[in-house]
Amino acid sequence: GAGVSQSPSNKVTEKGKDVELRCDPISGHTALYWYRQRLGQGLEFLIYFQGNSAPDKSGLPSDRFSAERTGESVSTLTIQRTQQEDSAVYLCASSPRPLSDYGYTFGSGTRLTVV
Amino acid sequence: SQQGEEDPQALSIQEGENATMNCSYKTSINNLQWYRQNSGRGLVHLILIRSNEREKHSGRLRVTLDTSKKSSSLLITASRAADTASYFCAYDRGSTLGRLYFGRGTQLTVWP
Repeated sequence: GAGVSQSPSNKVTEKGKDVELRCDPISGHTALYWYRQRLGQGLEFLIYFQGNSAPDKSGLPSDRFSAERTGESVSTLTIQRTQQEDSAVYLCASSPRPLSDYGYTFGSGTRLTVV
Repeated sequence: SQQGEEDPQALSIQEGENATMNCSYKTSINNLQWYRQNSGRGLVHLILIRSNEREKHSGRLRVTLDTSKKSSSLLITASRAADTASYFCAYDRGSTLGRLYFGRGTQLTVWP
């Protein structure tokens, strides 16, 4: 597609439920990143994919968080047993390759609210 | 923390004035980038400056980089109300597989 697409744009879930967030990167972008942004805060790195492997998953805050990517295409971020502190905007970005000189292209994010 | 730090946290100016935002970081970098975010959603890439560059221009944007001081500045000239947004610096350390470290951002408000 023309840009990075994320779905859903908004998600309200009950504490303890599992959620799945989806990211469709720009076609041909091999690098894909997930970040989290709490209200009024900067971006917190979660995980990086190169193709369908994840060389850097150091930012995942707990074992309730997992992510996968199909080839150089769609990625899903799954949060199990959601907690209120998981409420945030989850942002996905892609770039043509890692260490890109062109910067990231971000999606519009998924706003997750855990009630 | 390995995050960058923007200064000021908030900036309020009148249309037509210039806006200057600063960013400091703590490690060596491969490049430094500035992004803009409207309404807490996706970020838009504005400009990238490499570690061997000192200044770069793009339209009304001017970015400087001082690697000896580990700092960068973003200047928006002749600001417009539409420039109202949060601005983030992000740097690429070169050894971390393309991961960008983001600062907490500067909230810029431009009054008509």
